[in-house]
Amino acid sequence: DTGVSQDPRHKITKRGQNVTFRCDPISEHNRLYWYRQTLGQGPEFLTYFQNEAQLEKSRLLSDRFSAERPKGSFSTLEIQRTEQGDSAMYLCASSLNGGTGSGANVLTFGAGSRLTVL
Amino acid sequence: QKEVEQDPGPLSVPEGAIVSLNCTYSNSAFQYFMWYRQYSRKGPELLMYTYSSGNKEDGRFTAQVDKSSKYISLFIRDSQPSDSATYLCAMRGSSASKIIFGSGTRLSIRP
Repeated sequence: DTGVSQDPRHKITKRGQNVTFRCDPISEHNRLYWYRQTLGQGPEFLTYFQNEAQLEKSRLLSDRFSAERPKGSFSTLEIQRTEQGDSAMYLCASSLNGGTGSGANVLTFGAGSRLTVL
Repeated sequence: QKEVEQDPGPLSVPEGAIVSLNCTYSNSAFQYFMWYRQYSRKGPELLMYTYSSGNKEDGRFTAQVDKSSKYISLFIRDSQPSDSATYLCAMRGSSASKIIFGSGTRLSIRP
């Protein structure tokens, strides 16, 4: 296993277009997170999954954002009708165990997908 | 007000110095406290985590948590140029809960 993979690494799009990012977590990890990071800021929580169930979605996330993890393995994050404010690095992370297990603290991050909206 | 506050720096110290990085938080439900390190153009990687209050040491790194003050710290002894990175504090409550990150402190160790 080579860690968490994200694709594409960089996406340039025009305002109003839809984009989709894919994340392949570490295979035995049951929890998957999406974060957004802008320059000089820490990762901002977007949503997370326990297996295929989406357990929480940030209140800051508009309806233009949707995430899926259909079979509890890979996940996709789609942004519809992109805006310039969506330009950021989108980070995916996975972890083993949920609940009170200490493994839930050990997030393994991918290298991120950088979105530029023109 | 953000749930987790962290001084963005930048912080520049000479090689060999002791570095102190800090975060404050407002949510008393946080139980697990983590420090991640992020190099440029990379995803964050976990350095260490602690549960509730107390200290934890791992090599040159020591993490401290004071829940009564809602204040956590990371100390780096004998700092090296390879420690130059952005350090992110992170925390979560018990049970199945999301992890919230601070804004990160950019650290530079001068040779």
